Amino acid sequence: DGGITQSPKYLFRKEGQNVTLSCEQNLNHDAMYWYRQDPGQGLRLIYYSQIVNDFQKGDIAEGYSVSREKKESFPLTVTSAQKNPTAFYLCASSRTPGADTQYFGPGTRLTVL
Amino acid sequence: AQKVTQAQTEISVVEKEDVTLDCVYETRDTTYYLFWYKQPPSGELVFLIRRNSFDEQNEISGRYSWNFQKSTSSFNFTITASQVVDSAVYFCALRRSREYGNKLVFGAGTILRVKS
Repeated sequence: DGGITQSPKYLFRKEGQNVTLSCEQNLNHDAMYWYRQDPGQGLRLIYYSQIVNDFQKGDIAEGYSVSREKKESFPLTVTSAQKNPTAFYLCASSRTPGADTQYFGPGTRLTVL
Repeated sequence: AQKVTQAQTEISVVEKEDVTLDCVYETRDTTYYLFWYKQPPSGELVFLIRRNSFDEQNEISGRYSWNFQKSTSSFNFTITASQVVDSAVYFCALRRSREYGNKLVFGAGTILRVKS
């Protein structure tokens, strides 16, 4: 089945450690996105990528980094510089950067201990 | 500024009741797109509908219907004869058509609880 996978579902890390969240899609979509969701809030854009080897900062990029070496993969690294990393992280993709609909993965819940 | 307001934080209804989720948006663009997504307890966002700013026709899909009114900048979502499986968080979102990157601005979401 085509879709977006994110792993792991739950992730725990100690304060001061970097951690990488995986996002893979087999939809042959050009564009991919990372969002952060906090309780009682809507989703906020962290980074997005329109094509391979290119990515742009979203609204809350500080403390995060990404790479887009392959079309199907868009991993997100939460660095120790992120002040409040505990959140639910959602990855999305769309057929083209200009396409209207983004489709989402199941999410990763990150907890910093 | 682009902004989406979902004033209803949480709604509780009894099964088979109709329920309307409100969405009010702000944008200066003449062309834009509006979306509704459903987030069940599993966490994944499920796409429900997309409307562009030129199409104000209301849409019905089974028990779901959407009322888009540019005059009041609203894009409300009605579930008819609600069911327990409709319990979820519902998000309204806005996308500017000329802003590259397909960035979405989300409302804070409305928690819908349907009791049997």
